Amino acid sequence: AQSVTQLDSHVSVSEGTPVLLRCNYSSSYSPSLFWYVQHPNKGLQLLLKYTSAATLVKGINGFEAEFKKSETSFHLTKPSAHMSDAAEYFCVVSLNSGGYQKVTFGTGTKLQVIP
Amino acid sequence: DAGVIQSPRHEVTEMGQEVTLRCKPISGHDYLFWYRQTMMRGLELLIYFNNNVPIDDSGMPEDRFSAKMPNASFSTLKIQPSEPRDSAVYFCASIVGTEAFFGQGTRLTVV
Repeated sequence: AQSVTQLDSHVSVSEGTPVLLRCNYSSSYSPSLFWYVQHPNKGLQLLLKYTSAATLVKGINGFEAEFKKSETSFHLTKPSAHMSDAAEYFCVVSLNSGGYQKVTFGTGTKLQVIP
Repeated sequence: DAGVIQSPRHEVTEMGQEVTLRCKPISGHDYLFWYRQTMMRGLELLIYFNNNVPIDDSGMPEDRFSAKMPNASFSTLKIQPSEPRDSAVYFCASIVGTEAFFGQGTRLTVV
């Protein structure tokens, strides 16, 4: 079975300070991991993905995430938050299980950026 | 490719009416997922298809909900009869390899 846990439901940072959104996963096999962002009243947009290549993955808008197998983590970071980063972020694990691809979402982290 | 296309974008209906949501996946994608998003429960997986065949519908909340995929380019999610608690944003996603591509969603309001 696979699962994904986003440790914080809300994160608040000041503009210009670093962002850290935490994600831990549970999977019997090597999963593919993703971060999606959802701005208010919008659909889900792919930020970045890990699919067993480089463990440090760079995405759009200055975000990056590091796959750490020993810690079963895939935390999302950004050096300097911008007001436009305020949104909800979802960590996602995708795994072939029993011959079928299963996509599991975390519960989401709402990022607030304070001017 | 235009991406995953959902229609309508917004739907307002009266309680008891039938509602049909539509999704056109990206050509060549062999998986299609339906999700529901509410403030209370977040994103919930309702059902997913592989090569047009329903694989797991354990997330469908009640018998009032049904989904079909008659061919590789079209899927529907139907609610009959609709209830106010069905109000949510419904997303469709198609998958190639391991990556999911989402539609813009249908915002359903049942009054």
